[in-house]
Amino acid sequence: GAGVSQTPSNKVTEKGKYVELRCDPISGHTALYWYRQSLGQGPEFLIYFQGTGAADDSGLPNDRFFAVRPEGSVSTLKIQRTERGDSAVYLCASSLTLGAEAFFGQGTRLTVV
Amino acid sequence: KNQVEQSPQSLIILEGKNCTLQCNYTVSPFSNLRWYKQDTGRGPVSLTIMTFSENTKSNGRYTATLDADTKQSSLHITASQLSDSASYICVVSFDYKLSFGAGTTVTVRA
Repeated sequence: GAGVSQTPSNKVTEKGKYVELRCDPISGHTALYWYRQSLGQGPEFLIYFQGTGAADDSGLPNDRFFAVRPEGSVSTLKIQRTERGDSAVYLCASSLTLGAEAFFGQGTRLTVV
Repeated sequence: KNQVEQSPQSLIILEGKNCTLQCNYTVSPFSNLRWYKQDTGRGPVSLTIMTFSENTKSNGRYTATLDADTKQSSLHITASQLSDSASYICVVSFDYKLSFGAGTTVTVRA
């Protein structure tokens, strides 16, 4: 596609529920990143994919968070047993290669009530 | 502790005026330093990218400077326009990891 696309743009869920956030990267980009941005803060790194594999998941806050990229294109960030503290904007970015300029999607605003 | 600190946290300027945003970082080593513009409800968009050997980089009315010795960068906005109202984020990268500042929120008023 022309840019990085994230769906849904907004998600409201109840505490304890499971959510999935989707990211469609720019076609041909091998690297894909997930970030989380809390209100008034800069984005924080969660996980990075090179192709299908999670090359670095050191930013995932705990084991309730998991991300996949089964075919090396679309990625899904999965959050189990959501907590109110998970409320944030989840940003996805992709780049042509490792370390190249990253292009961001518009983000998914997750609200846990 | 955040390795990228930005100041001021926010500022208001009149349309047509200039302003300068500051970024201090402790990330070392680093591959490059980037300034992003983030409109409300949108993802960050790259304005400038500088390697450690570059001192200045311009993109239209945006000019970024870098002093790798003092680990400081600035973003200068010339002849501000209403559309410049946004958050400006300083980002220091090493390899594939990006370290983001908290951003400076700029409001341009007519």
